[in-house]
Amino acid sequence: AQSVSQHNHHVILSEAASLELGCNYSYGGTVNLFWYVQYPGQHLQLLLKYFSGDPLVKGIKGFEAEFIKSKFSFNLRKPSVQWSDTAEYFCAVTSGGYNKLIFGAGTRLAVHP
Amino acid sequence: DGGITQSPKYLFRKEGQNVTLSCEQNLNHDAMYWYRQDPGQGLRLIYYSQIVNDFQKGDIAEGYSVSREKKESFPLTVTSAQKNPTAFYLCASRPPGQTNEKLFFGSGTQLSVL
Repeated sequence: AQSVSQHNHHVILSEAASLELGCNYSYGGTVNLFWYVQYPGQHLQLLLKYFSGDPLVKGIKGFEAEFIKSKFSFNLRKPSVQWSDTAEYFCAVTSGGYNKLIFGAGTRLAVHP
Repeated sequence: DGGITQSPKYLFRKEGQNVTLSCEQNLNHDAMYWYRQDPGQGLRLIYYSQIVNDFQKGDIAEGYSVSREKKESFPLTVTSAQKNPTAFYLCASRPPGQTNEKLFFGSGTQLSVL
């Protein structure tokens, strides 16, 4: 069965630190990959997505993610975090009929000023 | 404004009681989803529906039921068989098409057991 693993449940950083959140999935076929973000008290919103083409995708707010097929990974990065990046981040994957979006457990990021 | 509306925002259930969570969308989306969010476990798929009068079980369907009599509505019933119903429930819908473009999420319903 498909699954998504996020390695860090809680991450604490100071402002201007670099961020990398790990995401690995288990599925051997063609996949679509997503990162969602949930700011405190707000809806889930899409941060970025990968369908095909350039494995390095740019998202909103300076985030990017790299799809490494050989490692089944789709790690999220940001060179310099801000206090406003404090949120919970979810990696998700769909495959096959594209009808089921499977989420990882989420990573809570806290950025201190 | 177009969007997904979930109600109520907070819901309390007594032991042995069935409760129904509402999800309505006016986006003309065919596909709709119910997820459950628990701390430390992320979102888990309960049920999903691709078209009216059709729905499939997700990963944790036991203790839940759904209906899809109208395109706009996808209510979720948490039955008394669900032994651990306390969670945050999110409804989502997807624009038509073959690929999973961004899901539109509702604002969620927090269900607690009295």
